[in-house]
Amino acid sequence: DAGVIQSPRHEVTEMGQEVTLRCKPISGHNSLFWYRQTMMRGLELLIYFNNNVPIDDSGMPEDRFSAKMPNASFSTLKIQPSEPRDSAVYFCASSLFVGTSNQPQHFGDGTRLSIL
Amino acid sequence: GNSVTQMEGPVTLSEEAFLTINCTYTATGYPSLFWYVQYPGEGLQLLLKATKADDKGSNKGFEATYRKETTSFHLEKGSVQVSDSAVYFCALSDTRGSNYKLTFGKGTLLTVNP
Repeated sequence: DAGVIQSPRHEVTEMGQEVTLRCKPISGHNSLFWYRQTMMRGLELLIYFNNNVPIDDSGMPEDRFSAKMPNASFSTLKIQPSEPRDSAVYFCASSLFVGTSNQPQHFGDGTRLSIL
Repeated sequence: GNSVTQMEGPVTLSEEAFLTINCTYTATGYPSLFWYVQYPGEGLQLLLKATKADDKGSNKGFEATYRKETTSFHLEKGSVQVSDSAVYFCALSDTRGSNYKLTFGKGTLLTVNP
């Protein structure tokens, strides 16, 4: 079975440029999560979607970050304009929400983002 | 709020040594507890889980027991292999309220030498 697929795997760009990260969740999963991982702060939840609707975006750092989920099989995380402090590994994860709880989350391999 | 504290690494062991990585938690509800493993260049993979007190999660020779009285979920393996070298994350998910959120520890880097 295909897991969570993220693209690109690596992105290097200059400060001020727009960055778009992409995620394809596992087919049939109805919850999607975007995380950011840095040495200083560890893993941080940025935003959570359920049935394509953003439920909790309290972890989004600031207005430069935005996320969309136009359908059940695709999500994007956009940074505009990008800054060097946005450099991190960004993970997408998906899970199945059943009843009142989420099943364990499945993670993609991440996008390593470097802003110069 | 919820929090997870796990032992700081790095942890370096020889092959076939016994492994313990300590994890304690603070939660307002009745959390489910997880251990995730991250191999170099990859995303996190669920290693094992426990959903209620006294449950034991196990997988690939790893074990952890949900201890409500000590709010702990320590990871153990009797004989580690070089292939176990990775970063290990303890996490909890509150089963009430915001039950989608995973709260992670900071991770423990394990290196196993031949």
